[in-house]
Amino acid sequence: TQLLEQSPQFLSIQEGENLTVYCNSSSVFSSLQWYRQEPGEGPVLLVTVVTGGEVKKLKRLTFQFGDARKDSSLHITAAQPGDTGLYLCAGAGRADSNYQLIWGAGTKLIIKP
Amino acid sequence: KAGVTQTPRYLIKTRGQQVTLSCSPISGHRSVSWYQQTPGQGLQFLFEYFSETQRNKGNFPGRFSGRQYSNSRSEMNVSTLELGDSALYLCASSSDTGISNEKLFFGSGTQLSVL
Repeated sequence: TQLLEQSPQFLSIQEGENLTVYCNSSSVFSSLQWYRQEPGEGPVLLVTVVTGGEVKKLKRLTFQFGDARKDSSLHITAAQPGDTGLYLCAGAGRADSNYQLIWGAGTKLIIKP
Repeated sequence: KAGVTQTPRYLIKTRGQQVTLSCSPISGHRSVSWYQQTPGQGLQFLFEYFSETQRNKGNFPGRFSGRQYSNSRSEMNVSTLELGDSALYLCASSSDTGISNEKLFFGSGTQLSVL
């Protein structure tokens, strides 16, 4: 069974600080997606990383896919209150010959003004 | 383009009852997936439908079922509700081009409370 462990589960920091969220697995994924979910809404896709070692930037957010495509990180620089939300990672893999998304449990991020 | 629409937004049921949730995908999307979300558990995959056929299924009991209509709209049914079924149920659609980095578009979910 493929698992995706996400850490930390909860993070509360002051505006302007930096932070990193991690997704780790012992399995190889063909791609990995990061989503952000706000209260009362469904998750919204932020980025998809496909190639081992790939780095993608979205304004103050930097996403990295591990060289072996087993792990990924999300780094936020100078966090803003608008970054508050639940961050979810999802790895694309094969299970029983079917393509599936394996989800991390999420990181609840609170940025205090 | 309208987004994914889920109805109802909120639902309160009692144990033993059954419930049907509805999802209208983005126009042109043929794949619809259903997820259960509970605090601390992340998203648990229920099933996926493509062109009216269940293509993929998660590890949920047979009380959870679904279907997809020819217009790609999908419904999810839970019979004999249990307290543990209380959760946010999310529907996601995709255009399903067959590549592994397919983008999912989620609805706002149906918050089900079982009393």
